[in-house]
Amino acid sequence: EAGVAQSPRYKIIEKRQSVAFWCNPISGHATLYWYQQILGQGPKLLIQFQNNGVVDDSQLPKDRFSAERLKGVDSTLKIQPAKLEDSAVYLCASSPRTGWSTGELFFGEGSRLTVL
Amino acid sequence: AQSVTQLGSHVSVSEGALVLLRCNYSSSVPPYLFWYVQYPNQGLQLLLKYTTGATLVKGINGFEAEFKKSETSFHLTKPSAHMSDAAEYFCAVSVRGGGADGLTFGKGTHLIIQP
Repeated sequence: EAGVAQSPRYKIIEKRQSVAFWCNPISGHATLYWYQQILGQGPKLLIQFQNNGVVDDSQLPKDRFSAERLKGVDSTLKIQPAKLEDSAVYLCASSPRTGWSTGELFFGEGSRLTVL
Repeated sequence: AQSVTQLGSHVSVSEGALVLLRCNYSSSVPPYLFWYVQYPNQGLQLLLKYTTGATLVKGINGFEAEFKKSETSFHLTKPSAHMSDAAEYFCAVSVRGGGADGLTFGKGTHLIIQP
Protein backbone atom coordinates (compact mmCIF):
# COMPACT_ATOMS: atom_id res chain seq x y z
CA GLU A 1 0.00 0.00 0.00
CA ALA A 2 1.40 3.36 -1.03
CA GLY A 3 1.88 5.86 1.76
CA VAL A 4 1.06 9.55 1.95
CA ALA A 5 2.92 11.38 -0.82
CA GLN A 6 4.07 14.97 -0.50
CA SER A 7 5.92 17.33 -2.79
CA PRO A 8 8.18 19.14 -3.02
CA ARG A 9 10.37 17.74 -0.26
CA TYR A 10 12.39 20.93 0.01
CA LYS A 11 11.69 24.51 -0.98
CA ILE A 12 13.68 27.69 -0.44
CA ILE A 13 12.03 31.04 -1.16
CA GLU A 14 12.49 34.65 -0.22
CA LYS A 15 10.05 36.43 2.05
CA ARG A 16 6.96 37.79 0.35
CA GLN A 17 7.14 35.09 -2.31
CA SER A 18 4.49 32.39 -2.63
CA VAL A 19 4.76 28.62 -2.34
CA ALA A 20 2.45 25.64 -2.71
CA PHE A 21 2.68 22.15 -1.27
CA TRP A 22 0.87 19.11 -2.57
CA CYS A 23 -0.36 16.03 -0.74
CA ASN A 24 -1.81 12.77 -1.99
CA PRO A 25 -3.23 10.72 0.89
CA ILE A 26 -3.46 6.98 1.13
CA SER A 27 -6.10 5.70 -1.28
CA GLY A 28 -9.53 5.64 0.31
CA HIS A 29 -8.63 7.79 3.30
CA ALA A 30 -11.47 10.20 3.93
CA THR A 31 -9.77 12.57 6.34
CA LEU A 32 -6.72 14.69 5.59
CA TYR A 33 -4.68 16.92 7.89
CA TRP A 34 -2.01 19.56 7.38
CA TYR A 35 0.41 20.13 10.24
CA GLN A 36 3.15 22.75 10.67
CA GLN A 37 6.29 21.62 12.49
CA ILE A 38 8.64 24.43 13.46
CA LEU A 39 12.17 23.40 14.41
CA GLY A 40 12.29 22.26 18.03
CA GLN A 41 8.52 22.01 18.39
CA GLY A 42 5.88 19.40 17.97
CA PRO A 43 3.60 19.44 14.95
CA LYS A 44 0.68 21.86 15.13
CA LEU A 45 -2.56 21.22 13.30
CA LEU A 46 -3.36 23.81 10.65
CA ILE A 47 -6.41 22.37 8.94
CA GLN A 48 -8.47 19.20 8.80
CA PHE A 49 -10.56 18.04 5.83
CA GLN A 50 -13.15 15.30 5.75
CA ASN A 51 -13.67 14.33 2.13
CA ASN A 52 -13.61 17.76 0.46
CA GLY A 53 -15.11 19.72 3.34
CA VAL A 54 -13.23 21.64 6.03
CA VAL A 55 -13.74 20.25 9.55
CA ASP A 56 -11.53 22.79 11.31
CA ASP A 57 -9.21 25.56 10.17
CA SER A 58 -9.13 27.59 13.37
CA GLN A 59 -5.32 27.59 13.54
CA LEU A 60 -4.73 28.40 9.89
CA PRO A 61 -3.41 31.97 9.40
CA LYS A 62 -5.98 32.81 6.80
CA ASP A 63 -4.45 36.12 5.82
CA ARG A 64 -1.61 34.23 4.12
CA PHE A 65 -2.38 30.50 4.18
CA SER A 66 -4.98 28.71 2.12
CA ALA A 67 -5.75 25.06 1.55
CA GLU A 68 -8.09 23.09 -0.61
CA ARG A 69 -8.96 19.49 -1.23
CA LEU A 70 -10.65 19.14 -4.55
CA LYS A 71 -12.71 16.00 -5.20
CA GLY A 72 -11.90 14.76 -1.73
CA VAL A 73 -8.53 13.30 -2.70
CA ASP A 74 -5.41 15.44 -3.26
CA SER A 75 -4.83 18.60 -1.30
CA THR A 76 -2.73 21.71 -1.73
CA LEU A 77 -1.51 24.13 0.92
CA LYS A 78 -0.50 27.60 -0.25
CA ILE A 79 1.36 30.39 1.49
CA GLN A 80 1.24 33.88 0.02
CA PRO A 81 3.10 36.01 0.92
CA ALA A 82 5.57 34.00 2.97
CA LYS A 83 7.16 35.35 6.14
CA LEU A 84 10.39 34.32 7.82
CA GLU A 85 8.44 32.63 10.61
CA ASP A 86 6.79 30.31 8.10
CA SER A 87 10.06 28.35 7.86
CA ALA A 88 8.99 24.87 8.97
CA VAL A 89 8.23 21.36 7.85
CA TYR A 90 4.69 20.98 6.54
CA LEU A 91 3.36 17.52 7.24
CA CYS A 92 0.37 15.96 5.58
CA ALA A 93 -1.44 13.09 7.28
CA SER A 94 -4.48 11.02 6.50
CA SER A 95 -6.91 8.73 8.29
CA PRO A 96 -9.35 6.19 6.90
CA ARG A 97 -11.94 7.15 9.48
CA THR A 98 -14.69 9.69 9.33
CA GLY A 99 -15.74 11.22 12.57
CA TRP A 100 -13.19 10.73 15.31
CA SER A 101 -9.88 9.54 13.91
CA THR A 102 -8.91 7.93 17.26
CA GLY A 103 -5.54 9.56 16.65
CA GLU A 104 -4.09 6.94 14.34
CA LEU A 105 -2.80 9.06 11.53
CA PHE A 106 -0.53 8.16 8.63
CA PHE A 107 2.05 10.82 7.88
CA GLY A 108 3.94 11.78 4.77
CA GLU A 109 7.64 12.65 4.84
CA GLY A 110 6.92 16.36 4.91
CA SER A 111 7.84 19.41 2.87
CA ARG A 112 10.62 21.52 4.36
CA LEU A 113 10.23 25.24 3.71
CA THR A 114 13.01 27.75 4.25
CA VAL A 115 12.11 31.42 3.94
CA LEU A 116 15.08 33.78 3.51
CA ALA B 1 -8.61 21.50 25.67
CA GLN B 2 -6.03 18.76 25.94
CA SER B 3 -2.27 19.24 26.19
CA VAL B 4 0.92 17.21 26.41
CA THR B 5 4.15 17.95 28.26
CA GLN B 6 7.35 16.09 27.50
CA LEU B 7 10.03 16.46 30.13
CA GLY B 8 13.49 16.91 28.65
CA SER B 9 14.04 18.16 25.13
CA HIS B 10 17.16 15.96 24.90
CA VAL B 11 17.88 12.62 26.54
CA SER B 12 21.24 10.88 26.20
CA VAL B 13 21.80 7.23 27.13
CA SER B 14 24.53 4.71 26.48
CA GLU B 15 23.97 1.85 24.08
CA GLY B 16 22.48 -1.04 26.05
CA ALA B 17 21.12 1.19 28.82
CA LEU B 18 17.51 1.77 29.78
CA VAL B 19 15.60 4.37 27.80
CA LEU B 20 13.00 6.44 29.67
CA LEU B 21 11.16 9.29 27.95
CA ARG B 22 8.62 11.14 30.06
CA CYS B 23 5.20 12.36 29.01
CA ASN B 24 2.39 13.92 31.01
CA TYR B 25 -0.96 14.88 29.62
CA SER B 26 -3.93 17.01 30.50
CA SER B 27 -7.43 16.13 29.35
CA SER B 28 -10.93 16.60 30.72
CA VAL B 29 -12.14 13.40 29.05
CA PRO B 30 -10.55 9.96 28.74
CA PRO B 31 -7.72 10.31 26.24
CA TYR B 32 -6.17 8.10 23.67
CA LEU B 33 -2.40 8.40 23.99
CA PHE B 34 0.33 7.84 21.44
CA TRP B 35 4.06 7.83 20.93
CA TYR B 36 5.32 8.68 17.48
CA VAL B 37 8.94 8.47 16.32
CA GLN B 38 10.54 10.69 13.68
CA TYR B 39 13.83 9.71 12.09
CA PRO B 40 15.88 12.44 10.37
CA ASN B 41 14.21 13.78 7.24
CA GLN B 42 11.30 11.40 7.58
CA GLY B 43 7.66 11.66 8.58
CA LEU B 44 6.19 10.49 11.86
CA GLN B 45 5.72 6.79 12.48
CA LEU B 46 3.40 5.34 15.11
CA LEU B 47 5.38 3.58 17.84
CA LEU B 48 2.53 2.54 20.13
CA LYS B 49 -0.86 3.63 21.40
CA TYR B 50 -3.12 3.37 24.43
CA THR B 51 -6.84 3.39 23.88
CA THR B 52 -8.67 1.44 26.58
CA GLY B 53 -8.04 -1.74 28.54
CA ALA B 54 -4.56 -2.90 29.46
CA THR B 55 -2.51 0.01 30.71
CA LEU B 56 0.85 -1.42 29.67
CA VAL B 57 1.12 -1.29 25.90
CA LYS B 58 3.84 -2.69 23.71
CA GLY B 59 4.97 -1.20 20.45
CA ILE B 60 7.47 -1.73 17.71
CA ASN B 61 11.23 -2.03 18.18
CA GLY B 62 10.96 -3.20 21.79
CA PHE B 63 9.36 -0.04 23.18
CA GLU B 64 6.54 -0.03 25.69
CA ALA B 65 4.60 2.57 27.66
CA GLU B 66 2.36 2.51 30.71
CA PHE B 67 -0.75 4.60 31.12
CA LYS B 68 -1.08 5.86 34.70
CA LYS B 69 -4.30 7.76 35.15
CA SER B 70 -3.54 8.84 38.72
CA GLU B 71 -0.29 10.44 37.55
CA THR B 72 -1.63 11.57 34.15
CA SER B 73 1.47 10.04 32.64
CA PHE B 74 2.37 7.90 29.66
CA HIS B 75 6.13 7.35 29.87
CA LEU B 76 7.97 5.47 27.13
CA THR B 77 10.60 2.87 28.00
CA LYS B 78 12.92 0.39 26.35
CA PRO B 79 15.12 -1.97 28.41
CA SER B 80 18.20 -1.76 26.19
CA ALA B 81 18.98 1.10 23.82
CA HIS B 82 20.28 0.49 20.35
CA MET B 83 22.09 2.95 18.12
CA SER B 84 19.19 2.79 15.67
CA ASP B 85 16.87 4.24 18.33
CA ALA B 86 18.40 7.68 17.91
CA ALA B 87 15.51 9.86 16.74
CA GLU B 88 12.93 12.42 17.84
CA TYR B 89 10.06 11.06 19.92
CA PHE B 90 6.69 12.74 20.24
CA CYS B 91 3.98 12.02 22.77
CA ALA B 92 0.49 12.89 21.56
CA VAL B 93 -3.11 12.83 22.76
CA SER B 94 -6.41 12.51 20.95
CA VAL B 95 -9.85 12.95 22.47
CA ARG B 96 -13.33 12.46 21.14
CA GLY B 97 -15.11 15.75 20.71
CA GLY B 98 -16.42 18.31 18.29
CA GLY B 99 -14.35 20.05 15.71
CA ALA B 100 -10.83 19.00 14.83
CA ASP B 101 -9.99 15.56 16.09
CA GLY B 102 -6.37 15.31 15.11
CA LEU B 103 -3.50 14.79 17.45
CA THR B 104 -2.15 17.28 19.98
CA PHE B 105 1.60 16.79 20.23
CA GLY B 106 4.21 17.53 22.85
CA LYS B 107 7.34 19.40 21.87
CA GLY B 108 9.34 16.24 21.38
CA THR B 109 12.35 14.59 22.99
CA HIS B 110 15.52 14.04 21.02
CA LEU B 111 17.03 10.69 22.00
CA ILE B 112 20.80 10.45 21.69
CA ILE B 113 22.52 7.08 21.95
CA GLN B 114 26.14 7.12 23.08
CA PRO B 115 28.34 4.23 21.84
